[in-house]
Amino acid sequence: GENVEQHPSTLSVQEGDSAVIKCTYSDSASNYFPWYKQELGKRPQLIIDIRSNVGEKKDQRIAVTLNKTAKHFSLHITETQPEDSAVYFCAASDHYGGATNKLIFGTGTLLAVQP
Amino acid sequence: DTGVSQDPRHKITKRGQNVTFRCDPISEHNRLYWYRQTLGQGPEFLTYFQNEAQLEKSRLLSDRFSAERPKGSFSTLEIQRTEQGDSAMYLCASSSSGATNEKLFFGSGTQLSVL
Repeated sequence: GENVEQHPSTLSVQEGDSAVIKCTYSDSASNYFPWYKQELGKRPQLIIDIRSNVGEKKDQRIAVTLNKTAKHFSLHITETQPEDSAVYFCAASDHYGGATNKLIFGTGTLLAVQP
Repeated sequence: DTGVSQDPRHKITKRGQNVTFRCDPISEHNRLYWYRQTLGQGPEFLTYFQNEAQLEKSRLLSDRFSAERPKGSFSTLEIQRTEQGDSAMYLCASSSSGATNEKLFFGSGTQLSVL
């Protein structure tokens, strides 16, 4: 089955700097890759996603890149702010428009933005 | 709040007791998922419904776990004869198979503590 690895497990940056979180996946059939932000005690919230027919997607300060050949995808946050501090999870799904949108999650990255 | 709602938010029980959690998905969503999350880990897939049909169960879901979605709306997850290892956050998520770009939305979860 699908396996998703995420690095680093913790990341500390200064406010205004950029942060990059990387994930790799094992199943070449995976074709949907969302990123979730989870603050302490709260629900995972979808912040951006990318599908396999696209190599890059950007939404304001957040961008995601996908390299299907290498089977890895990354989250980029620019101009980080203290409110970006949270745990970020990547995920991969191996069904696009099919019977299930089952997601396999990485182990998370704790991002701390120092003011 | 028109998001995914879960009840209760917290549950403390003694080992050997049965517990039941409820999830109300976003009203127009026909797919419903249960995940389990332990401290420091990403959510792990447990089971999935499309309408009232339970279409997939993870090997993580032992015989003590049962989930239902009798009318294709809300769902319940029951754990019988709870064990300390069942302590975790149980997350529910929903999505719409009819959406052009299907996305998974999570509830706030039920935190289970087995003493």
